[in-house]
Amino acid sequence: DGGITQSPKYLFRKEGQNVTLSCEQNLNHDAMYWYRQDPGQGLRLIYYSQIVNDFQKGDIAEGYSVSREKKESFPLTVTSAQKNPTAFYLCASSPRALAFSYNEQFFGPGTRLTVL
Amino acid sequence: QKEVEQNSGPLSVPEGAIASLNCTYSDRGSQSFFWYRQYSGKSPELIMSIYSNGDKEDGRFTAQLNKASQYVSLLIRDSQPSDSATYLCAVNRGTGANSKLTFGKGITLSVRP
Repeated sequence: DGGITQSPKYLFRKEGQNVTLSCEQNLNHDAMYWYRQDPGQGLRLIYYSQIVNDFQKGDIAEGYSVSREKKESFPLTVTSAQKNPTAFYLCASSPRALAFSYNEQFFGPGTRLTVL
Repeated sequence: QKEVEQNSGPLSVPEGAIASLNCTYSDRGSQSFFWYRQYSGKSPELIMSIYSNGDKEDGRFTAQLNKASQYVSLLIRDSQPSDSATYLCAVNRGTGANSKLTFGKGITLSVRP
């Protein structure tokens, strides 16, 4: 089955802990993205990566870190520096390489993070 | 002005009616436009994309784009209760390596049986 997988589906974190959210895709897509969704605020871009070993900050990168060591994987770490991490985290991928701008994105099922 | 703005909801229509969802954007250089459907508790699903002025039809869905007026809309004909969801408008700003989507806050559609 081709698609985007995220794990875990639910994650509970204590204050002061770092946690890593997994995102894997087997669609051979070039670009991958991380978004955060809060009630009433839409989707906000955290980080994105167009190619392996390269990534850029999105609109709300503070308190987060990523890596892109493999084309199919783009894990997100939520650090203790993120002040309000409780949210629904969505990973997306896009088949388009750097030269294209159509940029249709397809989403994984999401991880719901709750800070206790 | 917000970068991508969707008309306030929620929107309620009877089954079989046409639902009209609107979206305006501020960046005149935007090149591609998308509608996503998101059921409660689930992730967004891409249902329509449009890149040039005019209408694009796919089944019961029609996307309309007017770049001069900077709006994009989604019409859902013969609305069904299964269409009840939040619809997100997304606009692609920038090009190449700077290409990224900006999402509206979404509008919740309820189709009454």
